[in-house]
Amino acid sequence: TQLLEQSPQFLSIQEGENLTVYCNSSSVFSSLQWYRQEPGEGPVLLVTVVTGGEVKKLKRLTFQFGDARKDSSLHITAAQPGDTGLYLCAGAWEYGNKLVFGAGTILRVKS
Amino acid sequence: DAGVIQSPRHEVTEMGQEVTLRCKPISGHDYLFWYRQTMMRGLELLIYFNNNVPIDDSGMPEDRFSAKMPNASFSTLKIQPSEPRDSAVYFCASSAGRFIGYTFGSGTRLTVV
Repeated sequence: TQLLEQSPQFLSIQEGENLTVYCNSSSVFSSLQWYRQEPGEGPVLLVTVVTGGEVKKLKRLTFQFGDARKDSSLHITAAQPGDTGLYLCAGAWEYGNKLVFGAGTILRVKS
Repeated sequence: DAGVIQSPRHEVTEMGQEVTLRCKPISGHDYLFWYRQTMMRGLELLIYFNNNVPIDDSGMPEDRFSAKMPNASFSTLKIQPSEPRDSAVYFCASSAGRFIGYTFGSGTRLTVV
């Protein structure tokens, strides 16, 4: 059982469509991070959110941290083929510097 | 900065052999992490160091696994003896502090036959 549950597991959409990926947990996290991973490479940090209710925007990507700091979402507007990859959420607790990762959402954007 | 550097990129070894994976973190980062990624279990934290000291090794599967960080610029993860179930991609990551994102290396794909 994953501490962080991501949904959907797989998403295949057409270029130009919008999508939302969810990350849920029963645990409260001090911070939550989103990463994107391409085949053959390590995950790359997209954003860190630390405040309940926080919303961050990164061009076409919008990240939200839930008020109770147990869940998060990633919304992509007008998806492009370059957005294709594995999206991972990861949570950290108050003490230490250990991240636990969700299983990820595989996104495929078709042109 | 060249980022986190891992070597080798690929390793194929026979069951029972010793395997050593290497990592050079980003200069100035005082946290170093070793993760393992498989299709079945995703990314699992094996061990992490702060200022070269092991802080949490609860994710190390068993005594066959050991990790060292002799100085701020180098770490190794050793598996002895290796088993086919150790086949995975092993990532090293470093971080400049708490709540600061990790920078991952490109990983070592280990295959034990």
